[in-house]
Amino acid sequence: EPEVTQTPSHQVTQMGQEVILRCVPISNHLYFYWYRQILGQKVEFLVSFYNNEISEKSEIFDDQFSVERPDGSNFTLKIRSTKLEDSAMYFCASDRNNNEQFFGPGTRLTVL
Amino acid sequence: GESVGLHLPTLSVQEGDNSIINCAYSNSASDYFIWYKQESGKGPQFIIDIRSNMDKRQGQRVTVLLNKTVKHLSLQIAATQPGDSAVYFCAETLLSGYSTLTFGKGTMLLVSP
Repeated sequence: EPEVTQTPSHQVTQMGQEVILRCVPISNHLYFYWYRQILGQKVEFLVSFYNNEISEKSEIFDDQFSVERPDGSNFTLKIRSTKLEDSAMYFCASDRNNNEQFFGPGTRLTVL
Repeated sequence: GESVGLHLPTLSVQEGDNSIINCAYSNSASDYFIWYKQESGKGPQFIIDIRSNMDKRQGQRVTVLLNKTVKHLSLQIAATQPGDSAVYFCAETLLSGYSTLTFGKGTMLLVSP
């Protein structure tokens, strides 16, 4: 069964550094999402992406964040200058028809 | 702002019992609700959904009930098994703008053999 995959599973970085979290959505899906989950808290929507552009974004998704689908298979989330409070699990999700999102296993980001 | 919340952070049951996980939502405009299961180290996994024009929907061993009058959603798991142990989240959205899911905090279900 096709799955959403994410790499790395755990990323450790220094505050102020840039990180790129990578996702490979399910191949025939058209809608892509990033969510984050701070430890012990609820999953929060960051951004949705369709037709090579952002369709919606939350207040969390400020100028430090960007997304890209560089090659038709990968979907990346970049954090330009990480802060301590960016430490969280980041989940990628994809959806074929805008009616059921499939989530990846997540990348744990630790900012020191 | 409006949010989705869960009444019970942890629910412990014996194998074979029926489990009920509750969720209160506050956005009366929400018209689509989803329950997700999240096992340790994994992403949320879709369990069952329900639209606001329904009050009950059944899946395999799971039933979702929606009470729009009191803005309450519940997930019933029949004959709970140890493999059901996980965190369960409800999420709400608008079908017209489906992409934004608002999640509740989650309830941990612990099933003892």
